[in-house]
This record gives sequence, structure tokens and C-alpha cells, in this order.
Amino acid sequence: AQSVTQLDSQVPVFEEAPVELRCNYSSSVSVYLFWYVQYPNQGLQLLLKYLSGSTLVKGINGFEAEFNKSQTSFHLRKPAVHISDTAEYFCAVSSGSSNTGKLIFGQGTTLQVKP
Amino acid sequence: GAVVSQHPSWVICKSGTSVKIECRSLDFQATTMFWYRQFPKQSLMLMATSNEGSKATYEQGVEKDKFLINHASLTLSTLTVTSAHPEDSSFYICSARDPRGGAQEPQHFGDGTRLSIL
Repeated sequence: AQSVTQLDSQVPVFEEAPVELRCNYSSSVSVYLFWYVQYPNQGLQLLLKYLSGSTLVKGINGFEAEFNKSQTSFHLRKPAVHISDTAEYFCAVSSGSSNTGKLIFGQGTTLQVKP
Repeated sequence: GAVVSQHPSWVICKSGTSVKIECRSLDFQATTMFWYRQFPKQSLMLMATSNEGSKATYEQGVEKDKFLINHASLTLSTLTVTSAHPEDSSFYICSARDPRGGAQEPQHFGDGTRLSIL
């Protein structure tokens, strides 16, 4: 069975500071990894995805994530956050062999950017 | 890019009412759609997988008779909360994936429906 763990429920950070949101997964099969962002009362928007190839993945809004197979991690980073980055962030995994793309989500991390 | 539309975005109704939520794929055909429920400050909980032309697959603990799912066309899935009660109040979100992109295509999410039962 697959599972996703986001180690931090809340991450407060000052504007223009760097941030890392942690995500670890467990799976016995090959996986695809995703980071989604959710703004209040909205659905989820894809930030970035890892499918294969280069372990460093760049996404929208200046975010990037690094896939580490040995540590089964997929941490999200941004070198300098903005107030507008305040939102809920979800790490998710799907099986590489899935025909439906069914996602398993982590618990979510609230990023609070302070001025 | 692929877009998923969800309607309504917000609904308030009395206890005992049945509420229908629509999820549409606007520029692709989706044989599979997913329905999630999200409580405040929590993650998305998968409720069921909606399959076009066949019965939905429900996750353990989700009442089939309570949450009726119909996927009558390749672009529309509906979730009906029957005889809704205050404990059914939640944020419901659907997602779908463009099958033309294969297994690597990500899920695209609707904007969600805030359901409040009085």
C-alpha cells in the first residue's frame, strides 16, 4: 500500500525567506509524485510533478522539488517566498502502473508567510 | 490545458434535502473521475471513483446510498448527497485526468463545492 507523510502541519516563514516543505512516501512499486497548492475555498492546483528522469523538478510560481529515491522523499522548496504563497500544500503519490491516476494525499502543510 | 468545472461552488440547504453536485471535464473526455471530501484544515479524503457507464467504486466507510454517484457521459459525473444532515456539511472536490496523456497525466481538480446543511 502507498502512503504519504507530510512532516510539518504548519510552516511559518517571513517574506523573502527560503522555505522547504517536507514529504516522504512509502510504496512497493514505482510512483509518480506531485505537489498541489490549495488556496482558501478553492480546488487544488498542480505545482509540479515528478514522473521520471531528472530528480530536480521545477514548477510554477518559483517552486521546485527534489526526488530522493533512497530517502523516499520529495521535498518542496522555494528560495524566497511571497505573501501570496500563503496556502495549503499537498504532496501526493500515484502508482506508476495505475490506469486511473488515483492519488494518495499527505495530510497537508499550511504555509504562513508573514510580512 | 485540461479544465475541470464543478457546480455549484456553494450551497446552503435545510436538513433532509438532497443536493446534487456536478463535475464536468470541459476539454477532454474522462472515463474516470474522483470525488473527495475535505474537512476544515484537513487533507482530501477519497470518497469514490466514478466510472463512466458503470457503477462507482466506493472507498471503505463511505455510504453508497448516502452519496449517489452517476457518470452518465464522458464529460459529466454527479454526486448526490441524499437526505443531507448537518454532519454532511463539508467541502467536496472532484478531479479528472485527460486519458490522452497516459499514466503520466496529472489529475485536474474542480474548484470544489462548499456544502452547508442547516
